[in-house]
Amino acid sequence: DVKVTQSSRYLVKRTGEKVFLECVQDMDHENMFWYRQDPGLGLRLIYFSYDVKMKEKGDIPEGYSVSREKKERFSLILESASTNQTSMYLCASGRGGSTDTQYFGPGTRLTVL
Amino acid sequence: AQKITQTQPGMFVQEKEAVTLDCTYDTSDPSYGLFWYKQPSSGEMIFLIYQGSYDQQNATEGRYSLNFQKARKSANLVISASQLGDSAMYFCAMDSPTGTDKLIFGTGTRLQVFP
Repeated sequence: DVKVTQSSRYLVKRTGEKVFLECVQDMDHENMFWYRQDPGLGLRLIYFSYDVKMKEKGDIPEGYSVSREKKERFSLILESASTNQTSMYLCASGRGGSTDTQYFGPGTRLTVL
Repeated sequence: AQKITQTQPGMFVQEKEAVTLDCTYDTSDPSYGLFWYKQPSSGEMIFLIYQGSYDQQNATEGRYSLNFQKARKSANLVISASQLGDSAMYFCAMDSPTGTDKLIFGTGTRLQVFP
């Protein structure tokens, strides 16, 4: 079974802090994704990566950056956390290809005070 | 631009009954894929079913089936014989036309199954 893990289930940070959210997948997938989920808005793509050291902006990249130094690990970075970044963050990975689904981690619920 | 619309914020169904969750989509690309995911209260997204735009038959996976009506641009999820464990959020999604494997999600439907 594909396993996608995220470093924390719950995280509380203060405004202005630098925040790292880590995601690791164990199925050698090329593609990895970071989404945020907010009530009434569904999931929105922040950043994605097709390969090591490659990254592309999604629909809402402002205030975020990412890092992919190893194939299995994709990190989301909030350089200076703000209260409007309080949300559920979901990481996903996939092989790629038109019929392949994405596999999701358990999510990190981030609260910025 | 692509869009997924789920017009039912919440649905109730009695145990053992069937329920249909609506999903309509908008795309100008002739080739696309449609996905349904389940998100229990624990938070993880669970893949349920996939339908390709060129698939001739409606997709089925156990108690889940996808009622795909291409002309109407709808891809409704049908859950037969509902169980209490089906209570969750359900998201419809479509892949991006550029082959980037990005998914576009709807806003979700919260299904509650009662005894």
